[in-house]
Amino acid sequence: SQTIHQWPATLVQPVGSPLSLECTVEGTSNPNLYWYRQAAGRGLQLLFYSVGIGQISSEVPQNLSASRPQDRQFILSSKKLLLSDSGFYLCAWSVGDRDTGELFFGEGSRLTVL
Amino acid sequence: GQNIDQPTEMTATEGAIVQINCTYQTSGFNGLFWYQQHAGEAPTFLSYNVLDGLEEKGRFSSFLSRSKGYSYLLLKELQMKDSASYLCAVMDSNYQLIWGAGTKLIIKP
Repeated sequence: SQTIHQWPATLVQPVGSPLSLECTVEGTSNPNLYWYRQAAGRGLQLLFYSVGIGQISSEVPQNLSASRPQDRQFILSSKKLLLSDSGFYLCAWSVGDRDTGELFFGEGSRLTVL
Repeated sequence: GQNIDQPTEMTATEGAIVQINCTYQTSGFNGLFWYQQHAGEAPTFLSYNVLDGLEEKGRFSSFLSRSKGYSYLLLKELQMKDSASYLCAVMDSNYQLIWGAGTKLIIKP
């Protein structure tokens, strides 16, 4: 069966520090991969998505970046965190076709920037 | 612009029935999803509608009217564990998911 894991689960970082959140998927090949951010009282905001190794699409301009060094690995990074980067970050995957688009989410990473 | 509207919060009684509405305005339509999200956890898939009508899955049902840009999620025989946020999402013509802000459902004994 397919599983998705992301870590760390909780992170407290000072402003200006770097960030690295990692996500891996097991049990499937060539998945579509996504990074979302969820702010309180707002809908899920798509940050990045990837349909293959090295292929990253950015949905919003910001100080975050994403990389997909392997088929089932997706990394969210920042060189210098801002206060506004605080939030709940979710990695997700979907089957590499578009018929249903059902998303399977990781456990989430709660980031607090102080 | 694209927009998904759903109530911010609803309260219902254990054992009762509740209907959570979702209206949408998107550029194209390739299906509507409902997800359940317990506090502090990731969303989990509940239902998918792409054709008009009612889809039933146990205690949960989801309805879609494409001409009205409208969907609802119906929860029957409410249990305390149903206390969660319910997220409505629409897949647009580019196969991107547009998310509502979610409806927080509070179940009282």
